[in-house]
Amino acid sequence: PVLTQSSSASASLGSSVKLTCTLSSGHSTYIIAWHQQQPGKAPRYLMKLERSGSYDRGSGVPDRFSGSSSGADRYLTISNLQSEDEANYFCETWDSNVHKVFGGGTKVTVL
Amino acid sequence: EVQLVESGGGLIQPGGSLRLSCAVSGFTVSSNYMNWVRQAPGKGLEWVSVFYSGGSTYFADSVKGRFTISRDNSKNTLYLQMNSLRAEDTAVYYCARDSPYCSGTSCYIDYWGQGTLVTVSS
Repeated sequence: PVLTQSSSASASLGSSVKLTCTLSSGHSTYIIAWHQQQPGKAPRYLMKLERSGSYDRGSGVPDRFSGSSSGADRYLTISNLQSEDEANYFCETWDSNVHKVFGGGTKVTVL
Repeated sequence: EVQLVESGGGLIQPGGSLRLSCAVSGFTVSSNYMNWVRQAPGKGLEWVSVFYSGGSTYFADSVKGRFTISRDNSKNTLYLQMNSLRAEDTAVYYCARDSPYCSGTSCYIDYWGQGTLVTVSS
């Protein structure tokens, strides 16, 4: 599959932002994972997200981060946006040929 | 507590070799799918290689035939041997664990190391 993400998003401190990761045709049932990469740091696993919209946050991930799904779209919503949420957000899924693929990432700016 | 600590990066000339290590704690490297993922400067993430718990290994086309992956169960450590290095291999290399609940198409990374920088330049 191919994962498509918008390159950037912005929202004000304390507001919410919703990021989208779209699975390519024929792969709408796939589970994905969301990861956060703050500037100069390693990626951090946020959650896995299923087709049903069920999600499972990683250890220590604040409940301000939530997931949802609609068809081939997988969403990450960050509520009560904080300055430390300014980061790149990548989605990831499994691929039969290359084992795993990543989306291009969405850079979130906190205004 | 789960930890993955990479080492072995550095500056290397084109055509040279380097071995990266990933020492893990908090789980057993042999019981999990273990990956190497890299990120070129200013770029996105690229999967490089995986070592399945059953012993199978796979590589991205871009490194096939030049890189090998191995593990030392006694040291609970994963390795990436990189030969015939090219400028385009310059990247931060991350060691990453797939979730122990991986099955079928439901496979994803749940822990990352801090990364080690490999710079290929003359």
